[in-house]
Amino acid sequence: EPEVTQTPSHQVTQMGQEVILRCVPISNHLYFYWYRQILGQKVEFLVSFYNNEISEKSEIFDDQFSVERPDGSNFTLKIRSTKLEDSAMYFCASSVGRVAGNTIYFGEGSWLTVV
Amino acid sequence: DQQVKQNSPSLSVQEGRISILNCDYTNSMFDYFLWYKKYPAEGPTFLISISSIKDKNEDGRFTVFLNKSAKHLSLHIVPSQPGDSAVYFCAGQGGSEKLVFGKGTKLTVNP
Repeated sequence: EPEVTQTPSHQVTQMGQEVILRCVPISNHLYFYWYRQILGQKVEFLVSFYNNEISEKSEIFDDQFSVERPDGSNFTLKIRSTKLEDSAMYFCASSVGRVAGNTIYFGEGSWLTVV
Repeated sequence: DQQVKQNSPSLSVQEGRISILNCDYTNSMFDYFLWYKKYPAEGPTFLISISSIKDKNEDGRFTVFLNKSAKHLSLHIVPSQPGDSAVYFCAGQGGSEKLVFGKGTKLTVNP
């Protein structure tokens, strides 16, 4: 079964450093997402991306965050200057369409630890 | 932001019995509700969904019930199996493609 893949599975970074998390969405999907889960908290929406632009973003997704689809397969999340509170599991996800009810498929996550 | 609430952080049931996981919501704009299952160190896995115009959807051992007047939905798992032990997230979706998740309920199915 096709799946969303993410790299790295775990990254430790110094506060203030830039981090890039990578994702390969399911190949025929058109909508891409990043969610995150801080330890012990709920899974939170960060951003959705369609047709090479952001379609929606949450309040969490401030100027420190950016997303990009640099080629036909990868989808990246960049955090420019990491803070301690950015430590979380980051999930990439994708779906075929935008219509409510389309199943969103998640990757296994990238665990980011900021020290 | 408590649009989706799962008030029970944990639930323990015996193998073979029914598991009932509950979820309440406040946002009347949700068009769909989805249940995801999550094992430790893995991403959420889609389980079952229900449109807001329906009151029941069934898929094998899993049934989701929606009570719109009460803004309540529940996931029934019958019969429960030890492999069902995981964290179950309820999520609402409406007006956009984003999912709004509850905090999750950890289900433990004892052999």
